[in-house]
Amino acid sequence: GNSVTQMEGPVTLSEEAFLTINCTYTATGYPSLFWYVQYPGEGLQLLLKATKADDKGSNKGFEATYRKETTSFHLEKGSVQVSDSAVYFCALSDRGGGNTPLVFGKGTRLSVIA
Amino acid sequence: GAGVSQSPSNKVTEKGKDVELRCDPISGHTALYWYRQSLGQGLEFLIYFQGNSAPDKSGLPSDRFSAERTGGSVSTLTIQRTQQEDSAVYLCASSLVVSQGWTDTQYFGPGTRLTVL
Repeated sequence: GNSVTQMEGPVTLSEEAFLTINCTYTATGYPSLFWYVQYPGEGLQLLLKATKADDKGSNKGFEATYRKETTSFHLEKGSVQVSDSAVYFCALSDRGGGNTPLVFGKGTRLSVIA
Repeated sequence: GAGVSQSPSNKVTEKGKDVELRCDPISGHTALYWYRQSLGQGLEFLIYFQGNSAPDKSGLPSDRFSAERTGGSVSTLTIQRTQQEDSAVYLCASSLVVSQGWTDTQYFGPGTRLTVL
């Protein structure tokens, strides 16, 4: 079946540090890949997405590249801010398999300290 | 425009009682999903509605859980004879249907926090 594995947190970084949150997936079809973010006290928000191999999704300084050869979609940001503190979820939607509900990773909590 | 709305935002109930959770999707979105977010299980898919097709109920954890979608818009998730392990945040999401078998990005509501005492 489909699954998403992302690095366990929590991750604590100083402001302006480089961020990487690893995400790998298993899928039977041709998935689309997503990163969702959940800020404290708020709901899930789409951060970025990529729908086919080699696509790069980007938003708010974050980016992730869909790597089919390594089945990965790692999230990166060059310089994090305190306001980036949140829980980040990697997810997939398997278009080819007709199974469009999202499959989520466990989430990675990021804390950025000034 | 208006996003996905859910009500109530918080619900506290006693074990054994029935509860109903409501979701209003984004206008024009024909696909609607329910998920559950709990500490132990993370984010889990529950049920999926797409247009007039039979719902995908494959994620429902037991027959105490059911959902309906009236008029292709508002959805209600019902949990009968609630148990303490049902305590979680119940999230609703909606999306457009772009083409056969494929849907666009899902947009999430703020969730309903259910606490079963």
